[in-house]
Amino acid sequence: DGGITQSPKYLFRKEGQNVTLSCEQNLNHDAMYWYRQDPGQGLRLIYYSQIVNDFQKGDIAEGYSVSREKKESFPLTVTSAQKNPTAFYLCASTHTGGQGLNEQFFGPGTRLTVL
Amino acid sequence: AQRVTQPEKLLSVFKGAPVELKCNYSYSGSPELFWYVQYSRQRLQLLLRHISRESIKGFTADLNKGETSFHLKKPFAQEEDSAMYYCALSRSQGNLIFGKGTKLSVKP
Repeated sequence: DGGITQSPKYLFRKEGQNVTLSCEQNLNHDAMYWYRQDPGQGLRLIYYSQIVNDFQKGDIAEGYSVSREKKESFPLTVTSAQKNPTAFYLCASTHTGGQGLNEQFFGPGTRLTVL
Repeated sequence: AQRVTQPEKLLSVFKGAPVELKCNYSYSGSPELFWYVQYSRQRLQLLLRHISRESIKGFTADLNKGETSFHLKKPFAQEEDSAMYYCALSRSQGNLIFGKGTKLSVKP
């Protein structure tokens, strides 16, 4: 079950620590996205990247940072500045271009718990 | 403001009953809308998009620009339809804005 992978599946962090969530895709997709999923809140966009070495803030970027050094990889760092980091984090990717909006493919997610 | 509203957090129906999951949107322009589904212990995946005008697993959704709605319908619900359903609206650069989701529970 390749496609888009996220690791680890579960992550525990102490308050005040930064932590990095991994997202890798072998679909040759140009665009990648990070979402946060909370019960009753749906999915909210944190950061996205349309091309290597470029990324933009989403709706709730505060306390997060990303990098896009390779097309296949889009790691997300949850910093100590994020006030409520405990959540389920989803990574997605899609082709860009073509007619209409392309389907986003999602990873299995990482559940982050701050102790 | 761009917004997607799913008014029902939980929808419970019996097997064989019709089901309608509501989705309303706010968008100035030509919207592109999607339904995504998340079955238990599975990844979030695309169910259908309005531009395709297709039926997937017996589900259909029609874009009603006058009512700014994109409700998901199925005439006869099955137990395997039980899942979390999200309505999503495209924004610029391929971003999606999601509704808060509706949990569908189909009882035997």
